Amino acid sequence: GAVVSQHPSWVICKSGTSVKIECRSLDFQATTMFWYRQFPKQSLMLMATSNEGSKATYEQGVEKDKFLINHASLTLSTLTVTSAHPEDSSFYICSAPTLAGAKNIQYFGAGTRLSVL
Amino acid sequence: LAKTTQPISMDSYEGQEVNITCSHNNIATNDYITWYQQFPSQGPRFIIQGYKTKVTNEVASLFIPADRKSSTLSLPRVSLSDTAVYYCLVGANTGGFKTIFGAGTRLFVKA
Repeated sequence: GAVVSQHPSWVICKSGTSVKIECRSLDFQATTMFWYRQFPKQSLMLMATSNEGSKATYEQGVEKDKFLINHASLTLSTLTVTSAHPEDSSFYICSAPTLAGAKNIQYFGAGTRLSVL
Repeated sequence: LAKTTQPISMDSYEGQEVNITCSHNNIATNDYITWYQQFPSQGPRFIIQGYKTKVTNEVASLFIPADRKSSTLSLPRVSLSDTAVYYCLVGANTGGFKTIFGAGTRLFVKA
């Protein structure tokens, strides 16, 4: 199956700093990617849709200036958590859909655990 | 996007067959049904997808009745390693469709 690589897998940062998370589709092109956050024992919450060559679309309640998304190529989307605070500590996951065999299936990265001190 | 309803949790024993049912009363004509599995601290993994009747692959079967208002994921002979959260999603099978996750079903397999 298709592979989505997410980096880093774990990051610890000080409050007030910014953190960048990368999401790459390794063997397919993705004009669209999705970013989620997940708190312990909860489901994935969609944060935004990353669109190659255009602005991201954010879900209601997600601050676009706080969570900067860039999708500069067909295989790479980045999420930057700006001026991170402890409440931003969470598990962040990206995904990319592929139309392999006409099936639209989401392939997910392994996730990034962000801990803000 | 059609809303889905699943049991919050299920328990099973090794070697048993597990059936997880998902309700999606508002499913649209173009919607497909997709199931994902998620282990702790990992991203979800695709299990199976279907539109109607029955679909089977090497890990699971998916049963969809004629009215498509529900679906059942069947895991044959589960093992301890099948302990995970299982998500049922419904959406159109077009490029880049938005994926909204419900609460999922937490399956716990006991020895």
